Amino acid sequence: EVQLVESGGGLVQPGRSLRLSCAASGFTFDDYAMHWVRQAPGKGLEWVSGISWNSGSIGYADSVKGRFTISRDNAKNSLYLQMNSLRAEDTALYYCAKGGAEIAFLTWFDPWGQGTLVTVSS
Amino acid sequence: EKVMTQSPATLSVSPGERATLSCRASQSVNSNFAWYQQKPGQAPRLLIYGASTRATGIPARFSGTGSGTEFTLTISSLQSEDFAVYYCQQYNNWPYTFGQGTKLEIK
Repeated sequence: EVQLVESGGGLVQPGRSLRLSCAASGFTFDDYAMHWVRQAPGKGLEWVSGISWNSGSIGYADSVKGRFTISRDNAKNSLYLQMNSLRAEDTALYYCAKGGAEIAFLTWFDPWGQGTLVTVSS
Repeated sequence: EKVMTQSPATLSVSPGERATLSCRASQSVNSNFAWYQQKPGQAPRLLIYGASTRATGIPARFSGTGSGTEFTLTISSLQSEDFAVYYCQQYNNWPYTFGQGTKLEIK
Protein backbone atom coordinates (compact mmCIF):
# COMPACT_ATOMS: atom_id res chain seq x y z
CA GLU A 1 0.00 0.00 0.00
CA VAL A 2 1.30 3.43 -0.95
CA GLN A 3 1.75 5.70 2.05
CA LEU A 4 2.77 9.34 2.21
CA VAL A 5 3.29 10.86 5.64
CA GLU A 6 3.99 14.56 5.97
CA SER A 7 5.64 16.18 8.95
CA GLY A 8 7.29 19.42 10.00
CA GLY A 9 4.31 21.75 10.12
CA GLY A 10 3.59 24.07 12.99
CA LEU A 11 3.17 27.66 14.13
CA VAL A 12 5.84 30.03 12.86
CA GLN A 13 6.26 33.79 12.86
CA PRO A 14 6.19 35.79 9.63
CA GLY A 15 9.60 35.97 8.00
CA ARG A 16 10.83 32.75 9.59
CA SER A 17 11.54 29.38 8.00
CA LEU A 18 10.15 25.88 8.18
CA ARG A 19 11.07 22.59 6.52
CA LEU A 20 8.43 20.05 5.62
CA SER A 21 9.14 16.38 5.02
CA CYS A 22 7.20 13.63 3.34
CA ALA A 23 8.10 10.00 4.02
CA ALA A 24 7.05 7.67 1.23
CA SER A 25 6.57 3.91 1.28
CA GLY A 26 4.88 1.16 -0.66
CA PHE A 27 6.23 2.07 -4.10
CA THR A 28 9.51 2.61 -5.93
CA PHE A 29 10.04 6.21 -4.88
CA ASP A 30 12.68 7.10 -7.46
CA ASP A 31 10.36 6.15 -10.35
CA TYR A 32 7.92 8.99 -9.71
CA ALA A 33 7.68 12.74 -9.67
CA MET A 34 6.49 14.20 -6.39
CA HIS A 35 4.58 17.34 -5.55
CA TRP A 36 3.48 19.66 -2.78
CA VAL A 37 -0.07 21.03 -2.87
CA ARG A 38 -1.56 23.33 -0.25
CA GLN A 39 -5.03 24.22 0.91
CA ALA A 40 -5.68 27.35 2.93
CA PRO A 41 -8.40 26.98 5.59
CA GLY A 42 -11.79 26.72 3.90
CA LYS A 43 -10.28 27.28 0.45
CA GLY A 44 -9.41 25.30 -2.64
CA LEU A 45 -6.28 23.49 -3.79
CA GLU A 46 -3.11 25.23 -4.94
CA TRP A 47 -0.14 23.42 -6.46
CA VAL A 48 3.02 24.67 -4.75
CA SER A 49 5.93 22.77 -6.26
CA GLY A 50 6.92 19.61 -8.06
CA ILE A 51 10.11 17.64 -8.68
CA SER A 52 10.85 14.95 -11.24
CA TRP A 53 12.08 11.47 -10.34
CA ASN A 54 15.73 12.44 -10.75
CA SER A 55 15.42 16.07 -9.59
CA GLY A 56 16.16 17.15 -13.16
CA SER A 57 12.92 19.10 -13.51
CA ILE A 58 11.62 21.35 -10.76
CA GLY A 59 8.73 23.78 -10.82
CA TYR A 60 7.19 26.32 -8.47
CA ALA A 61 4.03 28.34 -8.27
CA ASP A 62 4.70 32.05 -8.75
CA SER A 63 3.40 32.66 -5.21
CA VAL A 64 6.34 30.77 -3.68
CA LYS A 65 9.09 31.14 -6.28
CA GLY A 66 12.30 32.42 -4.71
CA ARG A 67 11.14 31.58 -1.17
CA PHE A 68 10.46 27.82 -1.24
CA THR A 69 12.82 25.03 -2.34
CA ILE A 70 11.74 21.50 -3.11
CA SER A 71 14.14 18.58 -2.91
CA ARG A 72 14.15 14.83 -2.59
CA ASP A 73 16.40 12.11 -1.27
CA ASN A 74 15.73 8.93 -3.21
CA ALA A 75 17.95 6.90 -0.89
CA LYS A 76 15.69 7.87 2.00
CA ASN A 77 12.38 7.77 0.09
CA SER A 78 11.75 11.31 1.22
CA LEU A 79 10.50 14.59 -0.21
CA TYR A 80 11.18 17.97 1.34
CA LEU A 81 9.98 21.56 1.13
CA GLN A 82 12.17 24.27 2.57
CA MET A 83 10.02 27.32 3.20
CA ASN A 84 11.74 30.64 3.84
CA SER A 85 10.43 34.17 4.37
CA LEU A 86 7.05 32.81 5.36
CA ARG A 87 4.00 35.04 5.09
CA ALA A 88 0.55 34.92 6.63
CA GLU A 89 -0.85 33.89 3.24
CA ASP A 90 1.29 30.72 3.34
CA THR A 91 -0.94 29.43 6.15
CA ALA A 92 -2.40 26.18 4.85
CA LEU A 93 -2.52 22.42 5.06
CA TYR A 94 0.37 21.16 2.95
CA TYR A 95 -0.13 17.88 1.12
CA CYS A 96 2.51 15.67 -0.39
CA ALA A 97 1.31 13.92 -3.55
CA LYS A 98 2.80 11.27 -5.80
CA GLY A 99 2.85 11.63 -9.54
CA GLY A 100 0.44 9.23 -11.19
CA ALA A 101 2.63 7.82 -13.91
CA GLU A 102 6.16 6.46 -13.78
CA ILE A 103 8.93 8.86 -14.77
CA ALA A 104 6.53 11.46 -16.25
CA PHE A 105 6.62 14.93 -14.71
CA LEU A 106 3.36 16.18 -16.19
CA THR A 107 0.91 13.78 -14.62
CA TRP A 108 -1.99 13.55 -12.22
CA PHE A 109 -1.55 13.21 -8.46
CA ASP A 110 -2.24 9.89 -6.79
CA PRO A 111 -2.31 9.36 -3.91
CA TRP A 112 -2.08 12.26 -1.49
CA GLY A 113 -0.86 12.26 2.09
CA GLN A 114 -3.00 13.52 4.95
CA GLY A 115 -1.19 16.83 5.13
CA THR A 116 0.71 18.87 7.67
CA LEU A 117 -0.60 22.21 8.89
CA VAL A 118 1.51 25.33 8.61
CA THR A 119 0.33 28.43 10.45
CA VAL A 120 2.17 31.69 9.93
CA SER A 121 1.27 34.19 12.60
CA SER A 122 2.88 36.49 15.11
CA GLU B 1 -1.13 30.10 -16.44
CA LYS B 2 -4.18 28.10 -17.44
CA VAL B 3 -7.27 29.08 -15.44
CA MET B 4 -9.72 26.31 -14.62
CA THR B 5 -13.32 27.40 -13.99
CA GLN B 6 -15.78 24.98 -12.44
CA SER B 7 -19.54 25.25 -12.53
CA PRO B 8 -21.73 25.35 -10.66
CA ALA B 9 -20.13 26.35 -7.37
CA THR B 10 -22.76 24.34 -5.50
CA LEU B 11 -24.98 21.60 -6.87
CA SER B 12 -27.96 20.23 -4.92
CA VAL B 13 -29.06 16.77 -6.02
CA SER B 14 -31.16 14.03 -4.45
CA PRO B 15 -29.69 10.59 -3.78
CA GLY B 16 -30.24 8.27 -6.72
CA GLU B 17 -30.30 11.12 -9.23
CA ARG B 18 -27.64 12.08 -11.76
CA ALA B 19 -25.13 14.86 -11.13
CA THR B 20 -23.23 16.69 -13.86
CA LEU B 21 -20.27 18.87 -12.98
CA SER B 22 -18.40 21.04 -15.47
CA CYS B 23 -14.92 22.46 -15.80
CA ARG B 24 -13.60 24.83 -18.44
CA ALA B 25 -9.94 25.57 -19.18
CA SER B 26 -8.85 29.00 -20.38
CA GLN B 27 -6.66 27.30 -23.04
CA SER B 28 -6.52 23.78 -24.36
CA VAL B 29 -5.10 21.19 -21.97
CA ASN B 30 -5.65 18.33 -24.42
CA SER B 31 -6.67 15.33 -22.31
CA ASN B 32 -4.20 16.10 -19.53
CA PHE B 33 -7.00 16.56 -17.06
CA ALA B 34 -8.11 15.02 -13.77
CA TRP B 35 -10.98 15.07 -11.31
CA TYR B 36 -10.60 14.72 -7.53
CA GLN B 37 -13.07 14.21 -4.70
CA GLN B 38 -12.52 15.69 -1.26
CA LYS B 39 -14.60 14.93 1.81
CA PRO B 40 -14.41 17.02 4.99
CA GLY B 41 -11.23 16.38 6.95
CA GLN B 42 -9.78 14.15 4.24
CA ALA B 43 -7.17 14.49 1.55
CA PRO B 44 -8.30 14.72 -2.06
CA ARG B 45 -8.79 11.40 -3.84
CA LEU B 46 -8.19 10.87 -7.54
CA LEU B 47 -11.32 9.90 -9.46
CA ILE B 48 -10.52 10.41 -13.14
CA TYR B 49 -7.31 11.04 -15.12
CA GLY B 50 -6.67 11.46 -18.81
CA ALA B 51 -10.10 13.18 -18.86
CA SER B 52 -11.97 9.86 -18.96
CA THR B 53 -10.03 7.05 -17.26
CA ARG B 54 -11.33 6.00 -13.86
CA ALA B 55 -8.68 5.60 -11.18
CA THR B 56 -8.24 2.26 -9.45
CA GLY B 57 -11.17 1.41 -7.22
CA ILE B 58 -13.45 4.17 -8.46
CA PRO B 59 -17.02 2.95 -9.06
CA ALA B 60 -18.40 2.86 -12.59
CA ARG B 61 -21.07 5.44 -11.71
CA PHE B 62 -18.32 8.06 -12.08
CA SER B 63 -17.50 9.01 -15.65
CA GLY B 64 -15.48 11.77 -17.24
CA THR B 65 -15.71 13.23 -20.72
CA GLY B 66 -14.19 16.05 -22.70
CA SER B 67 -10.94 17.26 -24.17
CA GLY B 68 -9.35 20.58 -25.04
CA THR B 69 -11.16 23.15 -22.91
CA GLU B 70 -14.46 21.59 -21.86
CA PHE B 71 -14.78 18.73 -19.40
CA THR B 72 -17.61 17.01 -17.56
CA LEU B 73 -17.82 14.69 -14.57
CA THR B 74 -21.02 12.69 -14.37
CA ILE B 75 -22.15 10.67 -11.38
CA SER B 76 -24.92 8.50 -12.69
CA SER B 77 -26.81 7.63 -9.49
CA LEU B 78 -25.73 9.51 -6.41
CA GLN B 79 -24.93 7.57 -3.29
CA SER B 80 -24.72 9.12 0.17
CA GLU B 81 -20.92 8.85 0.14
CA ASP B 82 -20.68 10.94 -3.04
CA PHE B 83 -21.64 14.20 -1.40
CA ALA B 84 -18.35 16.07 -1.26
CA VAL B 85 -16.34 18.78 -2.99
CA TYR B 86 -15.00 18.00 -6.47
CA TYR B 87 -11.98 19.63 -8.05
CA CYS B 88 -10.74 19.59 -11.60
CA GLN B 89 -7.04 19.91 -12.47
CA GLN B 90 -4.96 20.37 -15.59
CA TYR B 91 -1.52 18.81 -15.83
CA ASN B 92 -0.80 19.74 -19.43
CA ASN B 93 1.90 22.13 -18.29
CA TRP B 94 3.03 23.86 -15.17
CA PRO B 95 1.99 25.56 -13.12
CA TYR B 96 -0.53 22.82 -12.55
CA THR B 97 -3.85 24.48 -11.81
CA PHE B 98 -7.04 23.45 -10.09
CA GLY B 99 -10.58 24.66 -10.40
CA GLN B 100 -12.14 26.38 -7.41
CA GLY B 101 -14.29 23.34 -6.62
CA THR B 102 -17.93 22.29 -6.87
CA LYS B 103 -19.69 21.38 -3.67
CA LEU B 104 -22.15 18.55 -4.26
CA GLU B 105 -24.78 18.65 -1.55
CA ILE B 106 -27.86 16.66 -0.69
CA LYS B 107 -31.11 18.16 -1.90
